[in-house]
Amino acid sequence: GQNIDQPTEMTATEGAIVQINCTYQTSGFNGLFWYQQHAGEAPTFLSYNVLDGLEEKGRFSSFLSRSKGYSYLLLKELQMKDSASYLCAVRYNTDKLIFGTGTRLQVFP
Amino acid sequence: KAGVTQTPRYLIKTRGQQVTLSCSPISGHRSVSWYQQTPGQGLQFLFEYFSETQRNKGNFPGRFSGRQFSNSRSEMNVSTLELGDSALYLCASSLEVDNEQFFGPGTRLTVL
Repeated sequence: GQNIDQPTEMTATEGAIVQINCTYQTSGFNGLFWYQQHAGEAPTFLSYNVLDGLEEKGRFSSFLSRSKGYSYLLLKELQMKDSASYLCAVRYNTDKLIFGTGTRLQVFP
Repeated sequence: KAGVTQTPRYLIKTRGQQVTLSCSPISGHRSVSWYQQTPGQGLQFLFEYFSETQRNKGNFPGRFSGRQFSNSRSEMNVSTLELGDSALYLCASSLEVDNEQFFGPGTRLTVL
């Protein structure tokens, strides 16, 4: 199989930093996406990693280690509006995009 | 530029019926993917179309089918509906197959 594992729920405080981890099976790996999904809305694209390292985009950064089958999404200076589900998705050589079940993040004041 | 549109937004059907959902991708996007989202299973890949050809199919029974037209619009069909088919069906489009995907608002299907 091509299981994508990420924590089910996380909580954090406004202004803090949170790291959401994602692990995946490495065979056939061909890119990793992070999406944000607010309740009742469609997922929106956050980041794409295909090479090792850190990609920074404003308050959000995403890291990839292909050899370890590991990625994380780092959210800085958390705001209440960041409360959402964060979906890790991996594209394999079969071109299928496999999604994890998502991490529900709750930001408290 | 208009986003991905899906119709209808909400649908209620009974067991045994069939349903057709429609997706219009962003103008210029040639790849369309369909996903089923349920609280317990998350986003499950259904199929992907590119230039009217099905490129990939997920692990769903043959009751689930789809097609893509020459204008890149896509439809998915579910026949002989079951209670477990109740879900949010999301369509996503991208320029090419391995590009960032843009999701539509989804069609919420309830099977009674």
